[in-house]
Amino acid sequence: EVQLVESGGGLVKPGESLTLSCAAAGFSFSSYAMSWVRQAPGKGLEWVAFISDANNYYADAVKGRVTISRDNAQNSLYLQINDLRAEDTAIYYCARGGGCFDDICYYPDYWGLGTLVTVSS
Amino acid sequence: DIQMTQSPSTLSASVGDRVTITCRASQSISSWLAWFQQKPGKAPSLLIYKASNLQRGVPSRFSGSGSGTDFTLTISSLQPDDFATYYCQQYHSFSWTFGQGTKVEIK
Repeated sequence: EVQLVESGGGLVKPGESLTLSCAAAGFSFSSYAMSWVRQAPGKGLEWVAFISDANNYYADAVKGRVTISRDNAQNSLYLQINDLRAEDTAIYYCARGGGCFDDICYYPDYWGLGTLVTVSS
Repeated sequence: DIQMTQSPSTLSASVGDRVTITCRASQSISSWLAWFQQKPGKAPSLLIYKASNLQRGVPSRFSGSGSGTDFTLTISSLQPDDFATYYCQQYHSFSWTFGQGTKVEIK
């Protein structure tokens, strides 16, 4: 059974940094591109970042402040967010999938339960 | 970025009703469109991928259609468990974008 479990959220002050983690199980983690999606309270879904073997991509809203990384040996995905702002307050989900390879595009078929990041002084 | 416009934003319906939600992309995305259901406090759950393919385990009352820029999610006979928010999502590019959501409420 595919499982994605996020952790690392919490209450942080504006300007601080935070690293979110996503532990994957039940599939060959290294074989899949992975993505982060966030959802501000009461709002819709917003793609944040994507990582494959060869590429990382970021949403304009977070570019320059966010780094996505992965440790295939640990079956883990990470999202480091620097210079946190009030508008970064959201539930952050990791999702399996993303990108297009050999004319096939990959949708997010599995999602974690999310981890809440609250940015407030 | 590809913009996704979903309508309506809210829909009031009764159990047994046929419900249709539409989604329009700002440029052609071929059939690279997914539909998700989200209930309060839960993660999104995949219903449909590649515009019309039903995810395993999803009831057959859900169906999707469309290609290019115009897409539709249909629930043939609304059930109590279906009252939720629905999102379309394009995955034509690595930078996914989502519709703003359609909340299906009890009439």
